[in-house]
Amino acid sequence: NAGVTQTPKFQVLKTGQSMTLQCAQDMNHNSMYWYRQDPGMGLRLIYYSASEGTTDKGEVPNGYNVSRLNKREFSLRLESAAPSQTSVYFCTAGQFFNQPQHFGDGTRLSIL
Amino acid sequence: GESVGLHLPTLSVQEGDNSIINCAYSNSASDYFIWYKQESGKGPQFIIDIRSNMDKRQGQRVTVLLNKTVKHLSLQIAATQPGDSAVYFCAENMEYGNKLVFGAGTILRVKS
Repeated sequence: NAGVTQTPKFQVLKTGQSMTLQCAQDMNHNSMYWYRQDPGMGLRLIYYSASEGTTDKGEVPNGYNVSRLNKREFSLRLESAAPSQTSVYFCTAGQFFNQPQHFGDGTRLSIL
Repeated sequence: GESVGLHLPTLSVQEGDNSIINCAYSNSASDYFIWYKQESGKGPQFIIDIRSNMDKRQGQRVTVLLNKTVKHLSLQIAATQPGDSAVYFCAENMEYGNKLVFGAGTILRVKS
């Protein structure tokens, strides 16, 4: 049982390139989330999908788009990468309100 | 549990001692709280949660205490082991809210 799987684990991009981060969960959870983690900043919510077919902005959505492809998959796209988007990106999945979210192991993204 | 800048607070404890990690949360309407553990290079891992109708909850070697009067959450780890060395995050969620808000984290270092 893999839980939440993120691909790729590492990526280096040049400024202006585009990239899609993939996330899949096998826990049959309704809600999925994308966070970024920067040193000393904690985890900040980029976008989330409360259920299949819906997506909403989080705290830091600018420069990103998402797609909830089906119940299992939630992707994050950078259309034109900027150095400020260098970060570690985490995808999570959760079932109901007031239930824990389960994290993937992250994608480490560097933009030069 | 707001971000406090680039330098995370650090707690150093001797192996075998008890550890207490504290968190001040921000929203008096929050009614669900979680503690996560993050080891280097990995995603945060769920440790324990508590709802606002409780003031204490125990797990295996861990206890979470909630003081709603002063908006304070703590994680107690009994008989701390080297494998407990990690960054610990608290997170809060408002009633019927989809979104967790994370604190900046505390580094726990266990000395052998």
